[in-house]
Amino acid sequence: DVKVTQSSRYLVKRTGEKVFLECVQDMDHENMFWYRQDPGLGLRLIYFSYDVKMKEKGDIPEGYSVSREKKERFSLILESASTNQTSMYLCASSMDRGPGELFFGEGSRLTVL
Amino acid sequence: GENVEQHPSTLSVQEGDSAVIKCTYSDSASNYFPWYKQELGKGPQLIIDIRSNVGEKKDQRIAVTLNKTAKHFSLHITETQPEDSAVYFCAAKVYNAGNMLTFGGGTRLMVKP
Repeated sequence: DVKVTQSSRYLVKRTGEKVFLECVQDMDHENMFWYRQDPGLGLRLIYFSYDVKMKEKGDIPEGYSVSREKKERFSLILESASTNQTSMYLCASSMDRGPGELFFGEGSRLTVL
Repeated sequence: GENVEQHPSTLSVQEGDSAVIKCTYSDSASNYFPWYKQELGKGPQLIIDIRSNVGEKKDQRIAVTLNKTAKHFSLHITETQPEDSAVYFCAAKVYNAGNMLTFGGGTRLMVKP
């Protein structure tokens, strides 16, 4: 079974803090993604990566950055957290660029006070 | 870019009844339409998908239909069971084009025993 593990299920941070969300997948997938989930807005793509040290902006990259130093690990970084970044963050991986079933982690719920 | 709208946002049915969730998309080039199910506390999981060369696909109690002319597709769940209670997301993309999935806003399905 593919396993996508997000390091933190729940985080509470203060405005202005730097936040790291870590994601690890164990199936040697090429592609990794960070989504943000908000009620009524579905899943919106923040950043994605097709290869190590490669990153591409998704639909809502503002206020976020990412790092992919190893194939299995994809990190989402909030340089200076703001209250409007309070949300559920979902990491996903897929094998190829085609239809590519996405395998999701269980999510990290971030609250910024 | 692609825009996917999903209705209804919430749906409550009695156990044993059928449930239908509808999505419309804007990009006529889209030709791959997956559906994901998100159970409480978990990440979304692919349950069924359809490509534009077919009009309908079934898998036990779930089916998806596609109308390319009208640019809409639907998820049908028959003989609903309490374990069908979850949030369902539709999505669309151009198969093998490397572009990302665009998700609908989600439908919370509640099956009452």
